Amino acid sequence: QSALTQPASVSGSPGQSITISCTGTSSDVGGYNYVSWYQQHPGKAPKVMIYDVSNRPSGVPDRFSGSKSGNTASLTISGLQAEDEADYYCSSYTSSSSWVFGGGTKLTVL
Amino acid sequence: QLQLQESGPGLVKPSETLSLTCTVSGGSISSSGYYWGWIRQPPGKGLEWIGNIYYGGSTYYNPSLKSRVTISVDTSKNLLSLKLSSVTAADTAVYYCARRISGSGRMDVWGQGTTVTVSS
Repeated sequence: QSALTQPASVSGSPGQSITISCTGTSSDVGGYNYVSWYQQHPGKAPKVMIYDVSNRPSGVPDRFSGSKSGNTASLTISGLQAEDEADYYCSSYTSSSSWVFGGGTKLTVL
Repeated sequence: QLQLQESGPGLVKPSETLSLTCTVSGGSISSSGYYWGWIRQPPGKGLEWIGNIYYGGSTYYNPSLKSRVTISVDTSKNLLSLKLSSVTAADTAVYYCARRISGSGRMDVWGQGTTVTVSS
């Protein structure tokens, strides 16, 4: 199975909004509402920020939101803060009864 | 609160079998409604899903690793295990165990990860 496609990097200034895309196929992102987004700081384990396309776990700021259109899912972070600087990974369920991650996006807060 | 802790050899020789365990504390690995799985991350690279096991025993694996992977649970010891056979340098990675909620893509609890290097 091929990794989902994410931009290698995105950047934004504090207070701005950024969007990270995650493109798959009809066999994964487009076929199921099981897209999640994970934040990973250097040397740390991933942390779920969004699950099932647009759901936010308790404790995750509402600055984080998710959506999906066709085979592409998106993570939007509004009101960027310095602590949002991290790597972000999307994941999706697949038609092979497995899970696949995106290649990851490095977010830089300028 | 639920915690996961990976453990195992940090160095494995090529062609041998990598064996890791994940100790579950603060909860039962036998609880219904959860999948328990493994994810790895090669140095400087992205995450790769290895596979998971449902509390009832059903296993699911990454198709690209399926022929070499075995995931199991020991409910008496609250342990999750991973075995990866015929390892090569490409299997060098940080290995994480994680819990996923059934009926959701949410992997909500992760271990801190353990580094495994494949080298002679």
